[in-house]
Amino acid sequence: DTGVSQNPRHKITKRGQNVTFRCDPISEHNRLYWYRQTLGQGPEFLTYFQNEAQLEKSRLLSDRFSAERPKGSFSTLEIQRTEQGDSAMYLCASSLVGLDSPLHFGNGTRLTVT
Amino acid sequence: RKEVEQDPGPFNVPEGATVAFNCTYSNSASQSFFWYRQDCRKEPKLLMSVYSSGNEDGRFTAQLNRASQYISLLIRDSKLSDSATYLCVVNIKGRVTGRRALTFGSGTRLQVQP
Repeated sequence: DTGVSQNPRHKITKRGQNVTFRCDPISEHNRLYWYRQTLGQGPEFLTYFQNEAQLEKSRLLSDRFSAERPKGSFSTLEIQRTEQGDSAMYLCASSLVGLDSPLHFGNGTRLTVT
Repeated sequence: RKEVEQDPGPFNVPEGATVAFNCTYSNSASQSFFWYRQDCRKEPKLLMSVYSSGNEDGRFTAQLNRASQYISLLIRDSKLSDSATYLCVVNIKGRVTGRRALTFGSGTRLQVQP
């Protein structure tokens, strides 16, 4: 296993279009997280799953954002009707269950909305 | 008030110096604490977990002060390769379902100079 994998690496889209990103976690990890990061800021929590259940999501996550993890393995994050403010690096991370389980991040998907 | 706060820096220090960063958190019930390192245009990577009794890993020492709700990171004998952004991570109770999620500070930038 080579770690957390995210696709695509880069996505350029026009405002108003829908985009979908994929994350493949480390295979034995039950938890999967999505974060968003903009320049000069730390990663901002969006949502996380334990297996296929979405356990928490940020209030910052508007109705245009939806995430799924249908079989408890890979996850998708969809953004509908993209806005320029959605431009950011979208990071996926996975971990084992447990208070001391650290996050392992993928390389991220950089979204640019024009 | 942010849930996890860090001084953004930058901290500019000469090689060999000792430097310390603090991070304050708002949720007194938080149970998990970490320091991550992020290099420019890379994903965050775990530097070390922070344990109640304090812990050390080579030149790095992490401490937790529950009473004052802060964690600290001390770097001794700074190397040029330590130049990076250091992110504090705390598990914070989510506002939608109340479940905890790992929340990042905005990071402290360190620049070690020759």
